[in-house]
Amino acid sequence: DIQMTQSPSSLSGSVGDRITITCQASQDINTHLNWYQQKPGKAPNLLIYDAYTLETGVPPRFSGSGSGTHFTFTISSLQPEDIATYYCQQFDDLPVSFGGGTMVEIK
Amino acid sequence: QVQLVQSGPEVQKPGSSVKVSCKTSEGTFNSYSITWVRQAPGQGLEWLGGFIPVFRTATYAQKFEGRLTITTDETMTTAYMELSSLSSDDTALYYCARDKSDYGNYVDIFDIWGQGTKVTVSS
Repeated sequence: DIQMTQSPSSLSGSVGDRITITCQASQDINTHLNWYQQKPGKAPNLLIYDAYTLETGVPPRFSGSGSGTHFTFTISSLQPEDIATYYCQQFDDLPVSFGGGTMVEIK
Repeated sequence: QVQLVQSGPEVQKPGSSVKVSCKTSEGTFNSYSITWVRQAPGQGLEWLGGFIPVFRTATYAQKFEGRLTITTDETMTTAYMELSSLSSDDTALYYCARDKSDYGNYVDIFDIWGQGTKVTVSS
């Protein structure tokens, strides 16, 4: 099974900060990686798929990059509504697997 | 906008089974794979398995093989997740999610999610 290691597990930033989350796959997954945002009490929401493609309606301050085993998720200018937990997810091989999540807070 | 509507909360005793439904508000699952994901209290997301309509078959995480069954009804408008031999470790919020593409031959990108069904296992 492919293991997804996400870091950091939590971070705190000020409004307007650029923040970055990384996701490391235990083997090459090409660009078969998605990023989700989950707000408290809500279902996950797809933000980015195929490593860097922005889902329709998602603000452009969110972006993704990477391929192979190393991936990055960036919020270019942190906003109060971005308080959430973010997950990466690989679909290169079954079973599908998620990273452990990164909780993002505002200072 | 398509919505997935899941059945209500469940309280089950250890050793019993639970069956959760997931109904699409529009269309069918004929062309869209459906996946099930759970989230234990305060924990991350865990993939359970999915239904792949092109092959009319389900695929399961090995951890749940033998006690998880994913099906759809004849009209392909409702999907079901049944988990047996429940223990307290199965207490979680269970989500269904639909694949973004209509190829229906894999589970990959989950763009539409149900609201979640809380399953509590307690004696």
